[in-house]
Amino acid sequence: EAAVTQSPRNKVAVTGGKVTLSCNQTNNHNNMYWYRQDTGHGLRLIHYSYGAGSTEKGDIPDGYKASRPSQENFSLILELATPSQTSVYFCASGGTGGEQFFGPGTRLTVL
Amino acid sequence: GDSVTQTEGLVTLTEGLPVMLNCTYQTIYSNPFLFWYVQHLNESPRLLLKSFTDNKRTEHQGFHATLHKSSSSFHLQKSSAQLSDSALYYCALLQQGTGSKLSFGKGAKLTVSP
Repeated sequence: EAAVTQSPRNKVAVTGGKVTLSCNQTNNHNNMYWYRQDTGHGLRLIHYSYGAGSTEKGDIPDGYKASRPSQENFSLILELATPSQTSVYFCASGGTGGEQFFGPGTRLTVL
Repeated sequence: GDSVTQTEGLVTLTEGLPVMLNCTYQTIYSNPFLFWYVQHLNESPRLLLKSFTDNKRTEHQGFHATLHKSSSSFHLQKSSAQLSDSALYYCALLQQGTGSKLSFGKGAKLTVSP
């Protein structure tokens, strides 16, 4: 059974619309992360969380919000989606040792 | 701050030749934790190797790497490339004391041809 799941797997949104990407983990990890992956830039950290109720800005947080309502769930929210946010988004969970376990990814297209 | 510099872009090899992907890092911490992640086409990244012990070789699935603190390096090697090694490879450094964030390099796309 997949320990980190994401939904939706594919999403097409309109410019200016609101998009919510969801992530669930059953690893019981305190730390969760949202990345975007773009050719030439690799994996870039958007937001992360130490535990339920906490969210922290990563390296490229502008235009994104995050929510961690429980140990298992971590959401990424695009309040006003723009075409520049077209990308593949990965959620990951991890413990203190640094190993991170990634979800299957969400392909987001903003038209 | 912490950073990783690795072989970037496209790396093309012929099957059977050795693989070498370079990774160097910068950190203020005296005991760095280094990782190699691999991502095959249409899959998500997964851990390939990790190390926090100076000068100790770590191996997994035919790949190996040795953390050298003296040169701040953690190069990924394999003696003989296989077609199935074609993938995207990321070197990463643990940012200690910050909730276990990883600093990733920009990634190298390895393509192994017959």
